[in-house]
Amino acid sequence: DSGVTQTPKHLITATGQRVTLRCSPRSGDLSVYWYQQSLDQGLQFLIQYYNGEERAKGNILERFSAQQFPDLHSELNLSSLELGDSALYFCASSATENEQFFGPGTRLTVL
Amino acid sequence: AQSVTQPDIHITVSEGASLELRCNYSYGATPYLFWYVQSPGQGLQLLLKYFSGDTLVQGIKGFEAEFKRSQSSFNLRKPSVHWSDAAEYFCAVRPLMDSSYKLIFGSGTRLLVRP
Repeated sequence: DSGVTQTPKHLITATGQRVTLRCSPRSGDLSVYWYQQSLDQGLQFLIQYYNGEERAKGNILERFSAQQFPDLHSELNLSSLELGDSALYFCASSATENEQFFGPGTRLTVL
Repeated sequence: AQSVTQPDIHITVSEGASLELRCNYSYGATPYLFWYVQSPGQGLQLLLKYFSGDTLVQGIKGFEAEFKRSQSSFNLRKPSVHWSDAAEYFCAVRPLMDSSYKLIFGSGTRLLVRP
């Protein structure tokens, strides 16, 4: 158990819908990262937050957004969902540059 | 172009045999290097990391990796594989010139273990 929790574990929804994925980092970790794992793109970095502020952006679609709240938990919002958004979404947290701790992921299926 | 390459999509070894998973990177300066393992239905677990110093790095679960600057490689090894090692293995880098700590992952190598 990494100490990073993600909810829900599975999510099934329809095209055009909007979903929110939630991540709680390890206690004390200020950085939260979101990654997408899909069959065609592999594991890709989406976005990073540090202590509530956006720190870095990867190949995140404009339909996707994220935020980190004062209690340091983070949410990834995916809207106007398409079939190609079906993937495993991981959250990771870190206190330093030495190691990122990954959560178990949320599997999103868009039908 | 900057990249992380894991040339083997699948590798099958017999239980008890040795293992080597390959990873090559292409970056201007040697990045920080990591190996992660993903078991079925699980998240990613860090096996080991290399920042500097001794080029042979010991990790968890009996894994080690060797950094070779001349070959831009960071190959993962294990002397004797156990059936529980069957999983997908990812090499990752953190570019030094990047102000974030984001990881760039290779495409992964799926390890199958024959009994």
